[in-house]
Amino acid sequence: DTEVTQTPKHLVMGMTNKKSLKCEQHMGHRAMYWYKQKAKKPPELMFVYSYEKLSINESVPSRFSPECPNSSLLNLHLHALQPEDSALYLCASSQRGPDSGTFYNEQFFGPGTRLTVL
Amino acid sequence: EDKVVQSPLSLVVHEGDTVTLNCSYEVTNFRSLLWYKQEKKAPTFLFMLTSSGIEKKSGRLSSILDKKELFSILNITATQTGDSAVYLCAVEAIAGKSTFGDGTTLTVKP
Repeated sequence: DTEVTQTPKHLVMGMTNKKSLKCEQHMGHRAMYWYKQKAKKPPELMFVYSYEKLSINESVPSRFSPECPNSSLLNLHLHALQPEDSALYLCASSQRGPDSGTFYNEQFFGPGTRLTVL
Repeated sequence: EDKVVQSPLSLVVHEGDTVTLNCSYEVTNFRSLLWYKQEKKAPTFLFMLTSSGIEKKSGRLSSILDKKELFSILNITATQTGDSAVYLCAVEAIAGKSTFGDGTTLTVKP
């Protein structure tokens, strides 16, 4: 299985809602990532998990809360979002974690969740 | 701050043409440079480059890195309409952190 899956594909939420985005991979990758991508812009890194531990947090507001329950799953919990948070949220995984000290391979991206905040 | 600049930002060619996409970078502690192709949704991996002067090839696509001049090029020969996409260049400096360029939008007309 060489796929990263993300659910839901689309999500519309109000500013007071709490929702979660889910990401799953079964490639044995030990690094997983969340990116935010606005229209016609490149992906912006939000979080990196390495061996189920938060490795990088790119100064993301606390209304975004990542969670890595196990090596195959990555969640992004959303609460009190703003309309400017509307974007495509991409999950990715890679073969080696950042803490391995060695080069690691390319990132495999999921199809993304299109989030709209009203 | 790490910087990745791609050029041109957009390009329109006809089928059969050859194109060269450019990526220059300024990063500390360079680890690797990656090229991705993004069509409608997720980016898909094309190449990872870590050493200067070694060309990587996959079918009609090839790429090379120059670590002295801090740039990479992606060549596509005999372009097809299916090559139409945004091509993203990303540089990994700190382990786990990839900085992406703004991308080159390639349109291949029949």
